[in-house]
Amino acid sequence: KAGVTQTPRYLIKTRGQQVTLSCSPISGHRSVSWYQQTPGQGLQFLFEYFSETQRNKGNFPGRFSGRQFSNSRSEMNVSTLELGDSALYLCASSLQGPSTDTQYFGPGTRLTVL
Amino acid sequence: DQQVKQNSPSLSVQEGRISILNCDYTNSMFDYFLWYKKYPAEGPTFLISISSIKDKNEDGRFTVFLNKSAKHLSLHIVPSQPGDSAVYFCAASAKGAQKLVFGQGTRLTINP
Repeated sequence: KAGVTQTPRYLIKTRGQQVTLSCSPISGHRSVSWYQQTPGQGLQFLFEYFSETQRNKGNFPGRFSGRQFSNSRSEMNVSTLELGDSALYLCASSLQGPSTDTQYFGPGTRLTVL
Repeated sequence: DQQVKQNSPSLSVQEGRISILNCDYTNSMFDYFLWYKKYPAEGPTFLISISSIKDKNEDGRFTVFLNKSAKHLSLHIVPSQPGDSAVYFCAASAKGAQKLVFGQGTRLTINP
């Protein structure tokens, strides 16, 4: 069974631009979560989707948004990029959700903001 | 507020010996705990998990211990192998919260 895939793997943007990252979960998984990893900050939870509905959201500004499609694929968008948004963005999927099932991670998208 | 803490940023262990990674948490609502391993430029890989109704779970060389009264979690790797060198994250989830809270990670280095 194919794992979680994320595209693109690397992205370079400039301040003020916006970016869209994509995530395809493991087949049959309906829950998709997004995390931001920065040096010294560990993994910070962004949001979680299940059946196209956002069930939980982390403590990030409104510039960070996401959505999930009927096939469980998910996208996250960051508008008006800031230098501090440079990070590894990780997507994870699970059958029903991270409270009950193991989450499996994709390889991540490395975003660099110049 | 760091609800999950890994107080050792790094740990060095000799090949063949036991590696013990520790994790403390503050939220008594956490009832599901996991350990992930991460290599550079890759996403975290799931290692082992434990529910709060248990105090120990084993999978091959990996054993996780949970001490609920101390709010303490540990991962034992025995014997340690060079391929175990990576960053290890502990994570916790509360029932219904639908999110994982991660620790800062511990970099484990296995020396030959």
